[in-house]
Amino acid sequence: QVQLVQSGAEVKKPGASVKISCKASGHAFNNYAIHWVRQAPGQRFEWMGWSNAANGYTKYAQEFQGRVTITRDTSASAAYMELNNLRSEDTAVYYCARGQRDCSGTNCYYWFDPWGQGTLVTVSS
Amino acid sequence: DIQMTQSPSSLSASVGDRVTITCRASQNIGTYLTWYQQTPGRAPQVLIYAASSLQGGVPSRFSGGGSGTDFTLTISSLQPEDFGTYYCQHSYGTPPWTFGQGTKVEIK
Repeated sequence: QVQLVQSGAEVKKPGASVKISCKASGHAFNNYAIHWVRQAPGQRFEWMGWSNAANGYTKYAQEFQGRVTITRDTSASAAYMELNNLRSEDTAVYYCARGQRDCSGTNCYYWFDPWGQGTLVTVSS
Repeated sequence: DIQMTQSPSSLSASVGDRVTITCRASQNIGTYLTWYQQTPGRAPQVLIYAASSLQGGVPSRFSGGGSGTDFTLTISSLQPEDFGTYYCQHSYGTPPWTFGQGTKVEIK
């Protein structure tokens, strides 16, 4: 069974950093992209960035540029997301998710499956 | 970024009802659309990808349709386990792939 298991909840002070892990099991970790998405209270999901499995390429959403770093440890089948200079607005549940793809001809469709269970990060002084 | 807008924001329906949720994209996204269901305290699970392809293991009462800018998710006969919040997400072009704001489905 394909599974992504994330690290536990964190409480941080403004200005601090948080690093969340996402450990994969049940599939060939290196064959898939890992995306990071967050959901603040009462807000829609917000895509933060992704790590390409094949070459380690990463891309970050513009609003997180300079504050977020996504890394992978292939030997541990794990991905990590570090967010720096935390502020109260970063209080959210953070998810990792495997990128799935289905290609038909020249069209490739993407979606996220499965997702990790989520990690609550609370930023409070 | 492409904006995704769902309607309604919430609905209440009875078991057995036919339920339809709509999702509108701010520009043409072809059929690059995914639907997820999220129940309280759990991560989202994919229902439909490529606008109308049913994910394996998802009951056939769920169906998706549409292309371009307007899409629908239909539950043909609402069941008690279908409560939760439904989200659309586009996957057109390269990320960011944005989400709709969600539609909360309650069982009467």
